[in-house]
Amino acid sequence: AQKVTQAQTEISVVEKEDVTLDCVYETRDTTYYLFWYKQPPSGELVFLIRRNSFDEQNEISGRYSWNFQKSTSSFNFTITASQVVDSAVYFCALSDFSSGSARQLTFGSGTQLTVLP
Amino acid sequence: DARVTQTPRHKVTEMGQEVTMRCQPILGHNTVFWYRQTMMQGLELLAYFRNRAPLDDSGMPKDRFSAEMPDATLATLKIQPSEPRDSAVYFCASGLVPGANVLTFGAGSRLTVL
Repeated sequence: AQKVTQAQTEISVVEKEDVTLDCVYETRDTTYYLFWYKQPPSGELVFLIRRNSFDEQNEISGRYSWNFQKSTSSFNFTITASQVVDSAVYFCALSDFSSGSARQLTFGSGTQLTVLP
Repeated sequence: DARVTQTPRHKVTEMGQEVTMRCQPILGHNTVFWYRQTMMQGLELLAYFRNRAPLDDSGMPKDRFSAEMPDATLATLKIQPSEPRDSAVYFCASGLVPGANVLTFGAGSRLTVL
């Protein structure tokens, strides 16, 4: 069965600091997708990024970057020069075929990021 | 931007009452998911539909929960009778397969059962 572990329950940083959110996953599939979602205080889950298992190239989008390493089954998320508006719960998720034909998202427990002014 | 619409946004009810939550998926999406979020359990999958057919509802307590898609524009999640332990935020999400099934989530329905 698939599993996503976000060991960091809460992280606090001061504005402008860099912060990395860790994500470790388990799956028996060779084809799968990894995601990050953001849940701001308003409560809605916002899609940030999707990576497929065949593409280990790191990705950068503005202040956000993602480091995917199959060798360690990790998909870490870094925010550079954090801002107060980055304060949210961040979820890592995995989508594979472990549950049969369905592609379901299995979420990690989330990391609460607080950016202090 | 296309959105997943959920109603009601908030619901307070008494134990034993029936609760129905509704979801309008994004037009053209062929998968619909219901998730429940609590502090203790995090995000749990309750049910999954593809092309309106239920594919997986193993995460749902069958004795009191039911999920349906009467048509492609409406998904419902019903709890009867409701219990205090059902208090949670219920999210609906829709996506498209084949493909990576990037899910777009609704704003959630916050349910409080007294």
